[in-house]
Amino acid sequence: ELKVEQNPLFLSMQEGKNYTIYCNYSTTSDRLYWYRQDPGKSLESLFVLLSNGAVKQEGRLMASLDTKARLSTLHITAAVHDLSATYFCAVDIRDSGNTPLVFGKGTRLSVIA
Amino acid sequence: EAGVTQFPSHSVIEKGQTVTLRCDPISGHDNLYWYRRVMGKEIKFLLHFVKESKQDESGMPNNRFLAERTGGTYSTLKVQPAELEDSGVYFCASSRTRNYGYTFGSGTRLTVV
Repeated sequence: ELKVEQNPLFLSMQEGKNYTIYCNYSTTSDRLYWYRQDPGKSLESLFVLLSNGAVKQEGRLMASLDTKARLSTLHITAAVHDLSATYFCAVDIRDSGNTPLVFGKGTRLSVIA
Repeated sequence: EAGVTQFPSHSVIEKGQTVTLRCDPISGHDNLYWYRRVMGKEIKFLLHFVKESKQDESGMPNNRFLAERTGGTYSTLKVQPAELEDSGVYFCASSRTRNYGYTFGSGTRLTVV
């Protein structure tokens, strides 16, 4: 059974600091997704990582994928309050598009002044 | 384009009652998925439609859950009779064929009391 583990599950960080969220998974899938969710809102797609070594950056967030280690990271640089949300990573069940996703439990990030 | 729409956004029902959740996917998206997040747990896959056909319903918890997608447009998920453990947030997502992007709705928060 495919498992996706995120850590930490809760993260309180000061504005201006850097931190990394980790996502380990137990399959050989080459596809990994990062989502952000604000309370009561949709899951917003942040990054889709499609191959080993993929690195994508958007603003203060950078995601990377190491398929050999079955590990993805979401790095936060110089955190600001607006980044407070819950972040999920997810992996395709099967190694093709349009398949169900398996999610991690999510990391609830709180950025404080 | 309009996003994935779900309603109601919240529903509180008594144990034993019936509830129907609705999802309107993005127009033209053949793939429609239902997921559920029980408090504190992972977002779990329930089922996948391709147009009006059930492609994968391996995540449906039991026969109290019935999903339909008549005409390949909107989908409904009926829970009958509802039990306490059915409480959670039900998400719907849609995607185009041969595409690695999924668009999620904002979810329906179901509380069974």
